Amino acid sequence: AQKITQTQPGMFVQEKEAVTLDCTYDTSDPSYGLFWYKQPSSGEMIFLIYQGSYDQQNATEGRYSLNFQKARKSANLVISASQLGDSAMYFCAMRVGFHGSSNTGKLIFGQGTTLQVKP
Amino acid sequence: GAGVSQSPSNKVTEKGKDVELRCDPISGHTALYWYRQSLGQGLEFLIYFQGNSAPDKSGLPSDRFSAERTGGSVSTLTIQRTQQEDSAVYLCASSPDRAFSNQPQHFGDGTRLSIL
Repeated sequence: AQKITQTQPGMFVQEKEAVTLDCTYDTSDPSYGLFWYKQPSSGEMIFLIYQGSYDQQNATEGRYSLNFQKARKSANLVISASQLGDSAMYFCAMRVGFHGSSNTGKLIFGQGTTLQVKP
Repeated sequence: GAGVSQSPSNKVTEKGKDVELRCDPISGHTALYWYRQSLGQGLEFLIYFQGNSAPDKSGLPSDRFSAERTGGSVSTLTIQRTQQEDSAVYLCASSPDRAFSNQPQHFGDGTRLSIL
C-alpha cells in the first residue's frame, strides 16, 4: 500500500532554532517523488521542496532542506533559523508511478504536523 | 492573479441540497486535481483530469459526487443531496503536465463547505 506517515501531530520550536519534521513513506514503486507543503492558518497550500527517488543529493531550498534516507524510507523536512511566520501545518506528500498509463500524478498526503514557533 | 482560483470561498447549505464548486486552473496547465480536506486532516484525493477527460475518479466517495472539465480549463465539482459528512474544505490543484515528476501541484485557496 502507498502511504505517508507523519508521526508528530504538533511541534514547538524556539525562534531562530532549527527544527526537523518527520515523514516516512511506503511504496513498492521505484519511481516516486516526495513533496513538502506548508499550510498557514489562512488555508492556502504552499509548495516548499521536492525530492525525487533517483536524486543523489538531498534537496535544499533556502532555509528548507530535505533529509532523504531512501533505505529507511524517510524524507524529513529540516527548517533552519525558524521564524514566527513558519508557524503553520506542514504536509508531506508522495507522487508515485511516473511511467505508463497508470500515472495520474495524484499526491498521497500525510496527516500533517502543526509547527508553532515561539518568540 | 495567475494562480488557481476557486469559488465560492465559503458555502453553507442545508442537508439534501446540491452544490457546485468551481475551479479555474493556471492557464496552460493540462492536469487538474480535486482534493478534500476534513478538519485537521490531510488531503484526500478525489479526481484527476488530463485535459477534459478524467482517467482517475477513484477517490470520489460516492455516486453523489461528480465532476467535469470543459475546454481543458475550468472544472466543476458537483455534490448532489449533500450530507453532513460532506462538510470539508475542497481544494483544487493544477500542474503543467502529470508526466513531469518534479513539477509541484499549485493549489487554490479552497472552498469551505458546511452542511447544516
